[in-house]
Amino acid sequence: NAGVMQNPRHLVRRRGQEARLRCSPMKGHSHVYWYRQLPEEGLKFMVYLQKENIIDESGMPKERFSAEFPKEGPSILRIQQVVRGDSAAYFCASSPGTDWAGYTFGSGTRLTVV
Amino acid sequence: DQQVKQNSPSLSVQEGRISILNCDYTNSMFDYFLWYKKYPAEGPTFLISISSIKDKNEDGRFTVFLNKSAKHLSLHIVPSQPGDSAVYFCAASDNAGNMLTFGGGTRLMVKP
Repeated sequence: NAGVMQNPRHLVRRRGQEARLRCSPMKGHSHVYWYRQLPEEGLKFMVYLQKENIIDESGMPKERFSAEFPKEGPSILRIQQVVRGDSAAYFCASSPGTDWAGYTFGSGTRLTVV
Repeated sequence: DQQVKQNSPSLSVQEGRISILNCDYTNSMFDYFLWYKKYPAEGPTFLISISSIKDKNEDGRFTVFLNKSAKHLSLHIVPSQPGDSAVYFCAASDNAGNMLTFGGGTRLMVKP
C-alpha cells in the first residue's frame, strides 16, 4: 500500500513561470490537505479538499495560488507567476476522514524559484 | 499570530537520558494535539497524540503530557536513542477539524 505520493520531489522555476505540484493520496483516502513550510519554520496550512470540492482554503494566498482535487487523478497545487518568496517545501497529507490518527504526509515537493 | 509555539529551537541530550520537548498554545478552542517527527527531505510522521479530555498518553518510549490550564504540552522520550535525532513538531486542532496548526519545531540531537 503506497503512501502519499508527491511529485516532483524537486522543482526549479524561474520568476514568472508556473509551478504545478501533484499529490496522489493513499488508497482509500478522500481528504487531501496542502501545507507549506518556509525555511526554519513550521508547516502552515494552505487548503483542504475532498473530491471535486474545496472545503477550506483559508490558508491560501489570495492571488496566484489555486488547488484542485478532481474526480480522477491527483490533487494539484498550482502557483502562477512564481516569485522568490514562493520558494519552500510543499507537503500534502491525506486521510480517510477527519480522524487525525489516519492523517499521513507525503515527502514533499521542494520548490526553488530562481 | 503564532497560536502554537515551541520555544526551544534545539535540544541536545545524551543517549539513554530523557528528552523533554515543550509546546505552548494560545487558542483555547484547540482540543486535540499531536506530535510529529521529521527527518530531512521527508514528510512529518505521526508519533503520538492526546485529546483535551486527557492529561497523559503513553506509547512505548513516548509520553505526551497536557496541562490545559497552562495551555502547555510536553513530549517525553525515555530512554533517548540516536535514531530519535530529528525535528519534532507539535500540532493542534480545534473541533472543526479542517486543519492542523503547527509549532516551529525543535531539533533534537541525541549523542551516543
